[in-house]
Amino acid sequence: GQQVMQIPQYQHVQEGEDFTTYCNSSTTLSNIQWYKQRPGGHPVFLIQLVKSGEVKKQKRLTFQFGEAKKNSSLHITATQTTDVGTYFCAGRVNQAGTALIFGKGTTLSVSS
Amino acid sequence: EADIYQTPRYLVIGTGKKITLECSQTMGHDKMYWYQQDPGMELHLIHYSYGVNSTEKGDLSSESTVSRIRTEHFPLTLESARPSHTSQYLCASSEPGLSRGYTFGSGTRLTVV
Repeated sequence: GQQVMQIPQYQHVQEGEDFTTYCNSSTTLSNIQWYKQRPGGHPVFLIQLVKSGEVKKQKRLTFQFGEAKKNSSLHITATQTTDVGTYFCAGRVNQAGTALIFGKGTTLSVSS
Repeated sequence: EADIYQTPRYLVIGTGKKITLECSQTMGHDKMYWYQQDPGMELHLIHYSYGVNSTEKGDLSSESTVSRIRTEHFPLTLESARPSHTSQYLCASSEPGLSRGYTFGSGTRLTVV
């Protein structure tokens, strides 16, 4: 079945350093979404990317969708302690709409 | 504001018991989903529904069942709970179309002893 792989599994940074998580799919995706889950919380939708090569920014967060629509990345500039949590990518194979398949997530910890 | 509610928030039950995890949303979303998530791990899709009287199994083999008699309600039932069912169960819903993200409930943390 479809798989969405995400690396790294864990990342620790010092506050102020940058952070990137990568997401790769075994098949071409119609779109990809990113979620953030705080410790003890539930996933919260961040953004969706649809177009090949698309780049979107939310303040210090930059999201990219690869040209082949098989990979994506989330980059955080100058991390803050509030960025702590697990970041999940989630992909959907086709427009007909199977449910999202989530990656395993990257857990970010930030020390001040 | 997210309006998807899951009850109970925490549940500890004995092996062999039948339980129903409740999920309700007031947003009028047609699509609803159940995911299972162990602490710090990925989300596994166990059931989903695209509308009333529509239910499908997800990728994770599950001994649970769901029903969708009303748009706003999507309960998950375990006929006979086992320790292997210990996990967090997350319910989510989404609007029609593909441009919307999922709205998740706060989850039910189930422990089977």
